[in-house]
Amino acid sequence: ETGVTQSPTHLIKTRGQQVTLRCSSQSGHNTVSWYQQALGQGPQFIFQYYREEENGRGNFPPRFSGLQFPNYSSELNVNALELDDSALYLCASSPSGGAANTGELFFGEGSRLTVL
Amino acid sequence: QKEVEQNSGPLSVPEGAIASLNCTYSDRGSQSFFWYRQYSGKSPELIMSIYSNGDKEDGRFTAQLNKASQYVSLLIRDSQPSDSATYLCAVHSGGGADGLTFGKGTHLIIQP
Repeated sequence: ETGVTQSPTHLIKTRGQQVTLRCSSQSGHNTVSWYQQALGQGPQFIFQYYREEENGRGNFPPRFSGLQFPNYSSELNVNALELDDSALYLCASSPSGGAANTGELFFGEGSRLTVL
Repeated sequence: QKEVEQNSGPLSVPEGAIASLNCTYSDRGSQSFFWYRQYSGKSPELIMSIYSNGDKEDGRFTAQLNKASQYVSLLIRDSQPSDSATYLCAVHSGGGADGLTFGKGTHLIIQP
């Protein structure tokens, strides 16, 4: 059973650019969510995808968007990058979605984004 | 605004002793409670989940939940240097579309 995998592991962008981060969910998991973890902080919920649709969102602006594909993999896109977007971006998958969602998450190793 | 509060530490505990980590949460409707361990530079790893009042034991770890006091704790018995990490408390409301709300984490140091 493969775990959650993310790419790239590290990347550097400049302010105003756009970035796409990718995630493959754990085998058998149909729900994917994304979190942002700034240095010294706990992860913050960006959004969640279930059955290829965004079904939950945290307090993040629309320039944070995503996709989920039929194989349950996912992308996080961030437009118009700001310096404060520098963080570890974590993808997490869950075996249960919708009404059965208990919140139990399994994280990938993350993508560390630096915005200069 | 849902909040989860943890003492950031560092919490220093001698090897072999019991480490006690605490967490309070603001949303009284919360249904699920989790402890994640995060080593420096790594991603969070789920170590305990608890859904009802009382204690839940798994090996050297015991999670305790008191919904009336909105309090969750994690006890680590026979602490090992490899337990040195940041421990994140996370709470879920039970809603199908909700994400986890995390605390900032407690930095635990096990002294050999």
